[in-house]
Amino acid sequence: TQLLEQSPQFLSIQEGENLTVYCNSSSVFSSLQWYRQEPGEGPVLLVTVVTGGEVKKLKRLTFQFGDARKDSSLHITAAQPGDTGLYLCAGDGAGGTSYGKLTFGQGTILTVHP
Amino acid sequence: KAGVTQTPRYLIKTRGQQVTLSCSPISGHRSVSWYQQTPGQGLQFLFEYFSETQRNKGNFPGRFSGRQFSNSRSEMNVSTLELGDSALYLCASSLVAGSGNTIYFGEGSWLTVV
Repeated sequence: TQLLEQSPQFLSIQEGENLTVYCNSSSVFSSLQWYRQEPGEGPVLLVTVVTGGEVKKLKRLTFQFGDARKDSSLHITAAQPGDTGLYLCAGDGAGGTSYGKLTFGQGTILTVHP
Repeated sequence: KAGVTQTPRYLIKTRGQQVTLSCSPISGHRSVSWYQQTPGQGLQFLFEYFSETQRNKGNFPGRFSGRQFSNSRSEMNVSTLELGDSALYLCASSLVAGSGNTIYFGEGSWLTVV
């Protein structure tokens, strides 16, 4: 059973367009983290959101944690080719019983064409 | 401050052999967790260690094992390798495991079983 549903799985857009990636679950998470991964490398942390309703901005990236801490979104404004990569959402503390166990979404492969 | 360091980066093993992968966490981090990443299954949690104790374990067979040393360094071992064990094995560390504690990943160890 996939606890975190991430959508879309693939996104191919032109430079300058906006996009949103969604991460949804029926479980409540203590925190949710977004990562970006390049081929052959480990995931690199973008942001951690902890509080329900929290919004964090990282340059052109805006992250939101749902009020009930069950869902999150990543919005990229004016995408650039350098944004190309695999974006992963990961929830921590699902059901309040996990230690160090992140539950990952399936990932979104983003391709930004020049 | 050095990141999470994993060795070796790449290795090729034959079916039936065993393999040991090593991880050095970020200095001061006491929680170390391991993940397996494959194209079909995505990122899946293997186990987590804190103060040399395994506190959490994913749904993997007993061929997958790990340990943590007093300096927080960790190793994972896979015995009787199968073709399906070919994957990117990622180690991650955090200060402690708990709500809102950010988890940082290493670059991973690429294991190919032939």
